[in-house]
Amino acid sequence: QKEVEQNSGPLSVPEGAIASLNCTYSDRGSQSFFWYRQYSGKSPELIMSIYSNGDKEDGRFTAQLNKASQYVSLLIRDSQPSDSATYLCAVNPGADRGSTLGRLYFGRGTQLTVWP
Amino acid sequence: ETGVTQTPRHLVMGMTNKKSLKCEQHLGHNAMYWYKQSAKKPLELMFVYNFKEQTENNSVPSRFSPECPNSSHLFLHLHTLQPEDSALYLCASSPRQGDYEQYFGPGTRLTVT
Repeated sequence: QKEVEQNSGPLSVPEGAIASLNCTYSDRGSQSFFWYRQYSGKSPELIMSIYSNGDKEDGRFTAQLNKASQYVSLLIRDSQPSDSATYLCAVNPGADRGSTLGRLYFGRGTQLTVWP
Repeated sequence: ETGVTQTPRHLVMGMTNKKSLKCEQHLGHNAMYWYKQSAKKPLELMFVYNFKEQTENNSVPSRFSPECPNSSHLFLHLHTLQPEDSALYLCASSPRQGDYEQYFGPGTRLTVT
């Protein structure tokens, strides 16, 4: 069973703070990792992808991956009220996993609220 | 239009009705996916098509019938649904099935009465 675990929250931070969202996964052979943002009543929007250990930065967003610890995180710097949404972590076990080729496993999401 | 589009955006149907959901992607992708999102549950993969061929059926009941006539279009045919099938149905696409980013359409909010 491939599991992706996220703290459901809600996570509440003040405007301008750093929001830290965490995700752990069970399949040690997982190859690729994604963060999606989902506003209430809307569909998931891809905001970050990461494939190698370490940090990947894109504007105010930084994804961090540690495959040894089976842990991926998303940091949002200078959080804004418009960042208030549910953040979904998704993991792809990778091309060498037979029928799971191209299959994303999603966590339940962490609800983030940024208050002004 | 750009990205992934879905119609209708909202659908209310009785348990004896037959309806279809449509998805179209304008990204030049070759893999398309159907997902179901219910309240308080993770996104559930339903079907995967890669180059028009179905490659995954995640034990979906036969009252859901997918169709992929070409790499740009994906349908989900619905018949004799149950109230517990009420959910947000999301279509996604990616360049190919594999380690590629998936992009979602806006979804169809389905209510079965």
